[in-house]
Amino acid sequence: EPEVTQTPSHQVTQMGQEVILRCVPISNHLYFYWYRQILGQKVEFLVSFYNNEISEKSEIFDDQFSVERPDGSNFTLKIRSTKLEDSAMYFCASSPGGAGYGYTFGSGTRLTVV
Amino acid sequence: KQEVTQIPAALSVPEGENLVLNCSFTDSAIYNLQWFRQDPGKGLTSLLLIQSSQREQTSGRLNASLDKSSGRSTLYIAASQPGDSATYLCADWGAGSYQLTFGKGTKLSVIP
Repeated sequence: EPEVTQTPSHQVTQMGQEVILRCVPISNHLYFYWYRQILGQKVEFLVSFYNNEISEKSEIFDDQFSVERPDGSNFTLKIRSTKLEDSAMYFCASSPGGAGYGYTFGSGTRLTVV
Repeated sequence: KQEVTQIPAALSVPEGENLVLNCSFTDSAIYNLQWFRQDPGKGLTSLLLIQSSQREQTSGRLNASLDKSSGRSTLYIAASQPGDSATYLCADWGAGSYQLTFGKGTKLSVIP
């Protein structure tokens, strides 16, 4: 069964450093997403991406965050200057279409900011 | 703003029992509702997707129902097994949006 692949599975970074989280969505999917889950809290929406542009973003997704689809297969989330409160599990997801289609999530990247 | 609530927060049952997990949402204008399973420290595995026009979906021992008018969904697990132990999350796709709104989940423990 097709999978969404995320790398790395765990990343430790120093506060103020830039990090890039990588994702390979399912190949024929058109919509791509990033979510995060702070330990013990709900899974929260960050951003959706369609047709090479952001279609929706949450209040969390401020100027420190950016997304990119640099080629036909990868989808990245960049955090420019990490803060302690950015420590969370970050999930990438994709779906074949818009509303009405289900999401497939990756296994996540655990980001620890020290 | 859509809010999704799951009750109970935790549930412990003996193996073999049938059980029901509850999910409620405040805005009935949704495109679909999806149930996920999350194992500790792991990703989200999709279990069932119910479109807004559907009343229920079934997969093996799992059955999910949707009642948009009352803002509720239930996940029924038949003949529970220790391997069913996990956190179960519901999430809805709100109308006019690209995002899923998640509940906090129900942590299920099935005791052998």
